[in-house]
Amino acid sequence: KNEVEQSPQNLTAQEGEFITINCSYSVGISALHWLQQHPGGGIVSLFMLSSGKKKHGRLIATINIQEKHSSLHITASHPRDSAVYICAVTNTGNQFYFGTGTSLTVIP
Amino acid sequence: EAQVTQNPRYLITVTGKKLTVTCSQNMNHEYMSWYRQDPGLGLRQIYYSMNVEVTDKGDVPEGYKVSRKEKRNFPLILESPSPNQTSLYFCASRPGQGRVMTQHFGDGTRLSIL
Repeated sequence: KNEVEQSPQNLTAQEGEFITINCSYSVGISALHWLQQHPGGGIVSLFMLSSGKKKHGRLIATINIQEKHSSLHITASHPRDSAVYICAVTNTGNQFYFGTGTSLTVIP
Repeated sequence: EAQVTQNPRYLITVTGKKLTVTCSQNMNHEYMSWYRQDPGLGLRQIYYSMNVEVTDKGDVPEGYKVSRKEKRNFPLILESPSPNQTSLYFCASRPGQGRVMTQHFGDGTRLSIL
C-alpha cells in the first residue's frame, strides 16, 4: 500500500511544452513536498506547501487538501528540466512518505 | 554553505564485510534520517534520529545500525552486508521540533554488495 501515488511514471515532452505531474495521497498531512532528483543522484527540495499554490520561476505547485491531490506544473519546459520529480508528504507525526517519482525527459 | 555530506559516494564491497557510511550536517539540525532508494520503490526510511542519543527504526531497518553520539553526525552501519542491500542511500536532515520543515539531502551513496 502506497501512501503517495504519482502519475505518470514516465513523461517525455518537447521543449516548450507545458507539463503536469500529479500526486495523490491517502494520509492526513501537515505538508506536501515536491523534490527534484537529477541524473547525478542529488535530491533538492522545490516546494513545500500545505494549501493553495506556490510559484518559483517556471514551476508551479498546487494542492487541494479536500481532494488529497497536488500537481506540479512546468511551463515552457527545457531540456535542463529533465529529472525525476518526487512527491512526498509529511504526516501529522512529522514522518515523510515518498512517491516513486516521475521521470521527465524534455527533448530539444 | 549549508550542506549534508555523505561518504563515500560510491562503494563496491563483498558480502559480510562490515562497512560504515558517514553523514554529517553543518546546520545544527536536530532531525536526521537515512533512506534507501530502489527502482520502482521510491525512497524508504531506514532509521531516523530526533536528537542526540535518540534513534528509531523506519520502514526497512533490518540489517542496519545507526548511532547519534553528536548532533552533526549520523553514521549508517552495515555489520554484515548482503547483496539485497545494494542500493542508493541518502542521508537527510531538518530542524526538529515544531513547524514542518523541508529536508536537506546529501548527494547519495551508491553501494554495491557482491
